[in-house]
Amino acid sequence: EPEVTQTPSHQVTQMGQEVILRCVPISNHLYFYWYRQILGQKVEFLVSFYNNEISEKSEIFDDQFSVERPDGSNFTLKIRSTKLEDSAMYFCASSEVRGNTEAFFGQGTRLTVV
Amino acid sequence: AQSVTQPDIHITVSEGASLELRCNYSYGATPYLFWYVQSPGQGLQLLLKYFSGDTLVQGIKGFEAEFKRSQSSFNLRKPSVHWSDAAEYFCAVGNTGGFKTIFGAGTRLFVKA
Repeated sequence: EPEVTQTPSHQVTQMGQEVILRCVPISNHLYFYWYRQILGQKVEFLVSFYNNEISEKSEIFDDQFSVERPDGSNFTLKIRSTKLEDSAMYFCASSEVRGNTEAFFGQGTRLTVV
Repeated sequence: AQSVTQPDIHITVSEGASLELRCNYSYGATPYLFWYVQSPGQGLQLLLKYFSGDTLVQGIKGFEAEFKRSQSSFNLRKPSVHWSDAAEYFCAVGNTGGFKTIFGAGTRLFVKA
């Protein structure tokens, strides 16, 4: 069964450093998403991406965040200068059609900023 | 604005007992509704979804949910809980025009022997 894969599963970084979280969406999917879940809190939408551009973003997705699809398979989330409060589980998701049909989620990357 | 409320932070049921997890949503039109499950340290797995049609939807692992427009609810049910069902359950809503899914705060299910 096709699945969304995320690497690494756990990333520890020092405050102020840049991190890149990587995702390989399902191959025939066209819409890609990043969500964040701070420990013990709800899953929050960060950004959606379609046709090589951002479709929608939340207020959380400020200038320190960026997304990219550098090739035909990867979808990345970059955090430019990490802060302690960026520590969270980051989920990548993809869907075949727009937005709110079934989105398939990856296993997540746990980011710990120290 | 869209929102999802899961009134129960955690629920404990005995193995073999029935389960109902509550979910209320706020959305102007007919929403797309989802239930996801998250086991500890794991990702989000879709249990079931409602887009239109029959208001009682069947999902994986023996779960079902009923959409009640009059109550703005989409409660998740299972007739007999197994110990492996212990996890966090998230209700979520999406809309037809947007790109994002809005999640509730989650309900943690504990199953006792």
